[in-house]
Amino acid sequence: NAGVTQTPKFQVLKTGQSMTLQCAQDMNHEYMSWYRQDPGMGLRLIHYSVGAGITDQGEVPNGYNVSRSTTEDFPLRLLSAAPSQTSVYFCASGVGIGSPLHFGNGTRLTVT
Amino acid sequence: GIQVEQSPPDLILQEGANSTLRCNFSDSVNNLQWFHQNPWGQLINLFYIPSGTKQNGRLSATTVATERYSLLYISSSQTTDSGVYFCAVGLSPGGYNKLIFGAGTRLAVHP
Repeated sequence: NAGVTQTPKFQVLKTGQSMTLQCAQDMNHEYMSWYRQDPGMGLRLIHYSVGAGITDQGEVPNGYNVSRSTTEDFPLRLLSAAPSQTSVYFCASGVGIGSPLHFGNGTRLTVT
Repeated sequence: GIQVEQSPPDLILQEGANSTLRCNFSDSVNNLQWFHQNPWGQLINLFYIPSGTKQNGRLSATTVATERYSLLYISSSQTTDSGVYFCAVGLSPGGYNKLIFGAGTRLAVHP
């Protein structure tokens, strides 16, 4: 098992550009989430999914879109990048209540 | 919304020392997890512990759900324990992957 795989590891964007952060898991987990981590802070939830075709907003969803067409993949789209979206982005997946959440290694995004 | 407070914010230890990290939360939860973020930024799940006590090697955790707190114990600390420890909680219903994180405890273990 590769676990939760995030690509790319690093990305630099100019203000206004769009891009997609990829997240894939090979553990057949129904639950997936996207978080962002800003310096010196804990993680904040952006969007989450409880299964293929089902997504919902978290605490800080503005400027981001998600879709979940398969169980394995949960991409995060930045529609028009802003400097405030400079952050480290983490994807997580899990089986459900009673089991731990597994995190990918993160994508460090800088928007200039 | 629910508040998650971790203490202390920073901790410096000599190798071999023991420590206790605390997590207080302001509402009933059905999901509580402890994570270690290592110096390379990786988040490692330590415990899934909405109630009770668990042990894994030198680490153990206790959650007293009725009193809304959780403790993480690190015994005989090693330099590899350095990093940031996060407590994260989820509310019922649907709180499994909608975790709310505390600000973390930053631990530095010196040889």
